[in-house]
Amino acid sequence: ETGVTQSPTHLIKTRGQQVTLRCSSQSGHNTVSWYQQALGQGPQFIFQYYREEENGRGNFPPRFSGLQFPNYSSELNVNALELDDSALYLCASSFVGPSDEQYFGPGTRLTVT
Amino acid sequence: GQQVMQIPQYQHVQEGEDFTTYCNSSTTLSNIQWYKQRPGGHPVFLIQLVKSGEVKKQKRLTFQFGEAKKNSSLHITATQTTDVGTYFCAGPEGGGATNKLIFGTGTLLAVQP
Repeated sequence: ETGVTQSPTHLIKTRGQQVTLRCSSQSGHNTVSWYQQALGQGPQFIFQYYREEENGRGNFPPRFSGLQFPNYSSELNVNALELDDSALYLCASSFVGPSDEQYFGPGTRLTVT
Repeated sequence: GQQVMQIPQYQHVQEGEDFTTYCNSSTTLSNIQWYKQRPGGHPVFLIQLVKSGEVKKQKRLTFQFGEAKKNSSLHITATQTTDVGTYFCAGPEGGGATNKLIFGTGTLLAVQP
């Protein structure tokens, strides 16, 4: 196991609602990346946080937002949920620096009905 | 935008047969990483390749990075049922030195005992 934890494991929400997903990084890691993985597809980069600042963003709308806390844990917030937001949300922690491997958490399975 | 494609999408083999998945990037990459995701699990880092033409081996797994640093392959010799899962390659966003990853489309490996 990687030491990266995520909560909750599963979540069911209704279209239009808001959701917050949480991630605790592996000890000593200062960078957290969030990915969305739709069924049968590869993970899609949402954004990355380094030392509590957003450090890059993928092609996701502003209703996807995040936070990183001083202890390097992180939150992903999604407002105005849409059916297409149903996916596995993965966070991955790493050390900052070029090309460091990502340690993925188990993910949160979000279902939007 | 930057794309990372993998072929085949799916491969079914008999236990003991060999397996290869190919990864092609639309941009030159500073490095490429490989991950394995078991059914219902999360991506787990396997290896990172950095040098043009690099070949690395992990027991029955052989990884290769192309001379032009735009393609890579993973070869498994004598597959076992424990090899079942989806294999993803991933390259840095923009091709440069960053740990914001663009994942390939993945190859799902099924191994029949």
